[in-house]
Amino acid sequence: SAVISQKPSRDICQRGTSLTIQCQVDSQVTMMFWYRQQPGQSLTLIATANQGSEATYESGFVIDKFPISRPNLTFSTLTVSNMSPEDSSIYLCSVATGLETQYFGPGTRLLVL
Amino acid sequence: AQSVAQPEDQVNVAEGNPLTVKCTYSVSGNPYLFWYVQYPNRGLQFLLKYITGDNLVKGSYGFEAEFNKSQTSFHLKKPSALVSDSALYFCAVRDRGNSSASKIIFGSGTRLSIRP
Repeated sequence: SAVISQKPSRDICQRGTSLTIQCQVDSQVTMMFWYRQQPGQSLTLIATANQGSEATYESGFVIDKFPISRPNLTFSTLTVSNMSPEDSSIYLCSVATGLETQYFGPGTRLLVL
Repeated sequence: AQSVAQPEDQVNVAEGNPLTVKCTYSVSGNPYLFWYVQYPNRGLQFLLKYITGDNLVKGSYGFEAEFNKSQTSFHLKKPSALVSDSALYFCAVRDRGNSSASKIIFGSGTRLSIRP
């Protein structure tokens, strides 16, 4: 398994601002993922963060809105840009250890006013 | 295309009774199957997975799940429910035929409520 931490754990932001979420893993992993989860809902994959290359975004998500960095094999950031109340959600970092299991961080709870 | 269905939004069980949370899936090849649990204000915790071998897999907190290929199901079970099992449960599937590039697809989630 992997131990994953996220910062901040929660934040309240004003519309039009940006927030950068950090994800740190206790071991080197090839694949890191960013998900969004509306309260009580399922998870939607935003993008796959690849070390040494640009992130791969899912349909409906664009780099200008959700820029991602992956400077090394243990760290990634997700920025939520030009926020609106519709961006209020839980943002989850996840890592894949091998070809099978994904493990998740504790999440960042974002409220945009 | 991969998909996973959790037909019940909520399952209510009395403490001490057996519980079942249902999951069916659709993949083009052979699946990897997973169950995750999410407690209030927490991230997802991995419970168990089916990769190959015995159709009955055992996981954390006394949970188990049975892979049924003919019914394309992977129901989560526990013989005796605890109030502390109350949480949101997610079934997930991944097509093993597409190496590490294939994504895990999550079901819509089932809220399990255990009454004392």
